[in-house]
Amino acid sequence: NAGVTQTPKFRVLKTGQSMTLLCAQDMNHEYMYWYRQDPGMGLRLIHYSVGEGTTAKGEVPDGYNVSRLKKQNFLLGLESAAPSQTSVYFCASSYSGPINYGYTFGSGTRLTVV
Amino acid sequence: AQKVTQAQTEISVVEKEDVTLDCVYETRDTTYYLFWYKQPPSGELVFLIRRNSFDEQNEISGRYSWNFQKSTSSFNFTITASQVVDSAVYFCALSEAYGGATNKLIFGTGTLLAVQP
Repeated sequence: NAGVTQTPKFRVLKTGQSMTLLCAQDMNHEYMYWYRQDPGMGLRLIHYSVGEGTTAKGEVPDGYNVSRLKKQNFLLGLESAAPSQTSVYFCASSYSGPINYGYTFGSGTRLTVV
Repeated sequence: AQKVTQAQTEISVVEKEDVTLDCVYETRDTTYYLFWYKQPPSGELVFLIRRNSFDEQNEISGRYSWNFQKSTSSFNFTITASQVVDSAVYFCALSEAYGGATNKLIFGTGTLLAVQP
């Protein structure tokens, strides 16, 4: 089925460990986004990409890095995980044309840093 | 800067009551889109509606209705005859219309709706 796939779905990390979250979409969307969701905060944009090879900072980029080497994949990296990065992470993608047709979200990754 | 405010953090109603979720937005864009998403306890984000800033007509879909008023920068969501299955967190969100910029989707903080049987 077409859509956005996030891996892994769950992960527990120890403080200081690193990991990469993978987001893959098969809709040929140009734009991709990483959000984090925390209680009472809604979803906040971490980083986004407007095309292959491009990345940009969102609202809460500190502690994260991203890469978009292939159009269909958007990777979110945590180099040295901290308990403050315990959150649910959502990836999304969208069409880049003149009309905003909306966003397709992945099912989320629940990350716990202990 | 764009901003979405959902002042109601939690709402609790009894089944069959009507309930309105408020959403107020800020943007300097003349063209933009507004969205509502539902997040049930299972955690996924379910798309409910997308509304263009040029279309101020109210919309009704079954028990759901949306009231868009540009004059007050509001896009409120009403559930008629609420049901237990409506229990979820509801997010209002705002985005620029044109992909020439970033198409970033800005979310409100969400409203937790609890429908009691």
